[in-house]
Amino acid sequence: AQTVTQSQPEMSVQEAETVTLSCTYDTSESDYYLFWYKQPPSRQMILVIRQEAYKQQNATENRFSVNFQKAAKSFSLKISDSQLGDAAMYFCAYRSPLRDDKIIFGKGTRLHILP
Amino acid sequence: GAGVSQSPSNKVTEKGKDVELRCDPISGHTALYWYRQRLGQGLEFLIYFQGNSAPDKSGLPSDRFSAERTGESVSTLTIQRTQQEDSAVYLCASSSSQGSANSPLHFGNGTRLTVT
Repeated sequence: AQTVTQSQPEMSVQEAETVTLSCTYDTSESDYYLFWYKQPPSRQMILVIRQEAYKQQNATENRFSVNFQKAAKSFSLKISDSQLGDAAMYFCAYRSPLRDDKIIFGKGTRLHILP
Repeated sequence: GAGVSQSPSNKVTEKGKDVELRCDPISGHTALYWYRQRLGQGLEFLIYFQGNSAPDKSGLPSDRFSAERTGESVSTLTIQRTQQEDSAVYLCASSSSQGSANSPLHFGNGTRLTVT
């Protein structure tokens, strides 16, 4: 069975600095999809970025980018120029193309932005 | 509406009462998911619907939990004889079948259930 591990329960970063959130996963599948979701205090989960495993190029969305290392089964999220609005819980998620029913989430990393 | 809508946003109930949580997915989304999130914790998968069918109900924590979906639209999650350990935020998400696994989940704001 697939698992997703986020080893950092909490992190802090100074405003305008760069922070990297780590995520590792375990799977025997060769094709899959990885996601980072953000959950601010408002509770609504918002998609931050997605990565398809068969694409070698790391995904980028404005200040958010990933470092996808398929062999190492690592999918870290880099936030550049951190802003106060980035404060939230961040969840890494794995989705198999073979099973739509279960999307495996990590336990989350709470990110604090220090002014 | 444009997004996933959940109601009520907050629910306080007495232990032993039944509660019903509602989710209105994005129009046209065939896949619908229910998750439970205890305070400060990650997401616990409860059940998934493809259309009106739930192929796997093994994620439901006990037989006090049930869910249904009608018209490939609204879904309700029912918890009977609520217990204090049922207190949590219940999140609903929907997803388009087009693009399948690459399609992200769109989440509602959740229902915060408090059992006293």
